Amino acid sequence: DIQMTQSPSTLSASVGDRVTITCRASQSISTWLAWYQQKPGKAPKLLIYKASNLESGVPSRFSGSGSGTEFTLTISSLHPDDFATYYCQQYNHYWTFGQGTKVEIK
Amino acid sequence: EVQLVESGGGLIQPWGSLRLSCAASGFTLSDYSMSWVRQAPGKGLEWLSYISSSSSTIYYADSVKGRFTISRDNAQNSLFLQMTRLRAEDTAVYYCARVTTAAGPLDNWGQGTLVTVSS
Repeated sequence: DIQMTQSPSTLSASVGDRVTITCRASQSISTWLAWYQQKPGKAPKLLIYKASNLESGVPSRFSGSGSGTEFTLTISSLHPDDFATYYCQQYNHYWTFGQGTKVEIK
Repeated sequence: EVQLVESGGGLIQPWGSLRLSCAASGFTLSDYSMSWVRQAPGKGLEWLSYISSSSSTIYYADSVKGRFTISRDNAQNSLFLQMTRLRAEDTAVYYCARVTTAAGPLDNWGQGTLVTVSS
């Protein structure tokens, strides 16, 4: 099974900050990686697919990069609406989520 | 507008069975593969099961293999998850989600239904 490890688990930041979340796969997954945003009590929302492709309607301050085993999600300038938990997910072999990164207000 | 609405959750005793449903609207269900994902209270997301558009391909996570059965009725625009031999650790919010391509990411999710396994 492919394991996904995110870091950090929690990130404290302020509005306007540049934020980067890292996701590592236990084996190469090419670019078969997605990022999701989840707010409390809500379903996850797809942000990025195939490592770097922005889902329709997602603000351009979100970006993704990486391939193989190392991936990043970057929020270029944190908005108040961006405080949430973010999950990476591989879909190279079945589907596996990272444990999540909570972005909280500093 | 794509809508997925789960139902069927509730309180169930250990070793009991429950059938979840997911009603799809706003798109043609028969064009898409679907999945179930769950989230235990305060925990992360766990993929559970996948079914292809024609039901020809089905996958399960090891944690539910042999206990859960995924199925679909394209004519009724519905997805199902039959859960048996439920355990306390199956307590979670269960989401149905649409798979973007044949085996891609999940682009639309329902609001979830809570299953609580407790005596």
